[in-house]
Amino acid sequence: ETGVTQTPRHLVMGMTNKKSLKCEQHLGHNAMYWYKQSAKKPLELMFVYNFKEQTENNSVPSRFSPECPNSSHLFLHLHTLQPEDSALYLCASSQQLAGVNNEQFFGPGTRLTVL
Amino acid sequence: AQSVTQLGSHVSVSEGALVLLRCNYSSSVPPYLFWYVQYPNQGLQLLLKYTTGATLVKGINGFEAEFKKSETSFHLTKPSAHMSDAAEYFCAVSPRPGSGNTGKLIFGQGTTLQVKP
Repeated sequence: ETGVTQTPRHLVMGMTNKKSLKCEQHLGHNAMYWYKQSAKKPLELMFVYNFKEQTENNSVPSRFSPECPNSSHLFLHLHTLQPEDSALYLCASSQQLAGVNNEQFFGPGTRLTVL
Repeated sequence: AQSVTQLGSHVSVSEGALVLLRCNYSSSVPPYLFWYVQYPNQGLQLLLKYTTGATLVKGINGFEAEFKKSETSFHLTKPSAHMSDAAEYFCAVSPRPGSGNTGKLIFGQGTTLQVKP
């Protein structure tokens, strides 16, 4: 595997379900990100991790719970979601959080549908 | 606060025509500048970036962008559009280190490029 991978690519869940999204980067990067992309809305940065430590949480509801066990893996645990949480969830990584090498590399995303 | 504006949420060109996608940023110190492309049902792919040096930056797929400090712009161009260029394009900025923030990317709203045969 190369680049940034995300699983599953598609997920349908009920409002009472618990599921997890997985992201893995094979680039040796130190920073990882979760974004939400809804139809007709700009990209929303959700969480930022740098060297496994969370550095940013953009007022994301607690029904979204991130986990970063190491610099290569990032999870987004989901529970009691709402239909408005249906969106494309994108994971990204970058060599640095800031500086000349902070361009982000994105995974293909998980298309989430909440019924 | 740093922001980025993409003029035109939807741009339509004929195949073979010039592509011009506009991006303007707001900050007193020029940030790092990026263009990303997103094809349907895929993640974002970096087209090109500007950090320092030559203001005309060449990217992948024949795209290029020019940083103009006086206009606070970083417009994306391609001389001749191809059908495969149809996608969503995002301009993004990242404040330079020492600007007093984390340096994370700030994305524009995106521009959908339609290429007509």
